[in-house]
Amino acid sequence: GNSVTQMEGPVTLSEEAFLTINCTYTATGYPSLFWYVQYPGEGLQLLLKATKADDKGSNKGFEATYRKETTSFHLEKGSVQVSDSAVYFCALSVQNTGNQFYFGTGTSLTVIP
Amino acid sequence: KAGVTQTPRYLIKTRGQQVTLSCSPISGHRSVSWYQQTPGQGLQFLFEYFSETQRNKGNFPGRFSGRQFSNSRSEMNVSTLELGDSALYLCASRVRLAGAREEQFFGPGTRLTVL
Repeated sequence: GNSVTQMEGPVTLSEEAFLTINCTYTATGYPSLFWYVQYPGEGLQLLLKATKADDKGSNKGFEATYRKETTSFHLEKGSVQVSDSAVYFCALSVQNTGNQFYFGTGTSLTVIP
Repeated sequence: KAGVTQTPRYLIKTRGQQVTLSCSPISGHRSVSWYQQTPGQGLQFLFEYFSETQRNKGNFPGRFSGRQFSNSRSEMNVSTLELGDSALYLCASRVRLAGAREEQFFGPGTRLTVL
């Protein structure tokens, strides 16, 4: 089936630290991969995406590379800021399921000054 | 371009009541999906509508229903509310990209509290 597994949180980092949030997936077809971010009290915002193997999505200093050989889409940022504190969701969609989206459980990140 | 709007933003109901939530997608988007978000279960897919037809459905009881209008606005209804229905209900507007892939844009959600 289709599913997303992401590392459990919560994650607490000091400002300017390096961030990695792991995400692996299983898919019955060729998925598109996404990272969404949810700030407190808000809905989900698309952070970045990749639609084919070896694509790198990037936005606001965050990056993730679509690794088909390891079925992974890990989120990274070189230097986190307090304003990055949020919950991050990895997701996939697969065409052969009517483009239904599958989400991970979310990883809460807190960045302390 | 205006984003996805959801009304109301907050709602308090009591057990046994019913509730209707509304979602207006981004202009030009014809597909709307609904999700339930709770601390224990995370994001769970409820259903998706495209051109007024339900295209996909998640694993929720029949108390949860939805519909879509000709202007793409969507409503979801929950009847006979239970305490466990307390959640953030998110609506997402979907658009078809090149190669038949899709992208989702979320609204701010409706926070439902059942007492």
